[in-house]
Amino acid sequence: TQLLEQSPQFLSIQEGENLTVYCNSSSVFSSLQWYRQEPGEGPVLLVTVVTGGEVKKLKRLTFQFGDARKDSSLHITAAQPGDTGLYLCAGGTGNQFYFGTGTSLTVIP
Amino acid sequence: ETGVTQSPTHLIKTRGQQVTLRCSSQSGHNTVSWYQQALGQGPQFIFQYYREEENGRGNFPPRFSGLQFPNYSSELNVNALELDDSALYLCASSLEILSSGRGLTDTQYFGPGTRLTVL
Repeated sequence: TQLLEQSPQFLSIQEGENLTVYCNSSSVFSSLQWYRQEPGEGPVLLVTVVTGGEVKKLKRLTFQFGDARKDSSLHITAAQPGDTGLYLCAGGTGNQFYFGTGTSLTVIP
Repeated sequence: ETGVTQSPTHLIKTRGQQVTLRCSSQSGHNTVSWYQQALGQGPQFIFQYYREEENGRGNFPPRFSGLQFPNYSSELNVNALELDDSALYLCASSLEILSSGRGLTDTQYFGPGTRLTVL
């Protein structure tokens, strides 16, 4: 059973398109993180969202934390081939840390 | 480069054998967490060590064990290997305990992982 479910699982889009990745849970998290992982490497932290309803922008990436702190989304504007990778949401509760199921993004030039 | 190193990079073992994976944390970090990542999936939390003691464990059997040393480097040991143990094993270091009741308070820095194949 996955505590954090991501959708879609796979996404293949053309360069320049927009996309949104969703991260959902039935549990409340005090904060959530988004990571990006490339093949052969460990995940790299993109952002941490800590307040319900919070929106954070990182250049073409916009992250939102749900009001109830059970869900989050990542929106990418004008996707580029360099955005290709595995996107993971993650959160901690108790003494455990959970990653989402992952969204594999391919941006075609 | 995160400053977190893992060894070996690749490893092939047979079912029933034992394996030890090693992780050197980033300088100044006192917390190490270990994860198992199957192909195409998100990492699964195995356990976390803070100042040489286990502090938090995921849903993994006792044959997964670990150690943290005074210099905060760490080992992951897996006994009685099974085919399903084949995965990428990641370690991550941070300055303090994650989810210490205050939510995620620190950034984890991941190593490149060890790819374990069990035949």
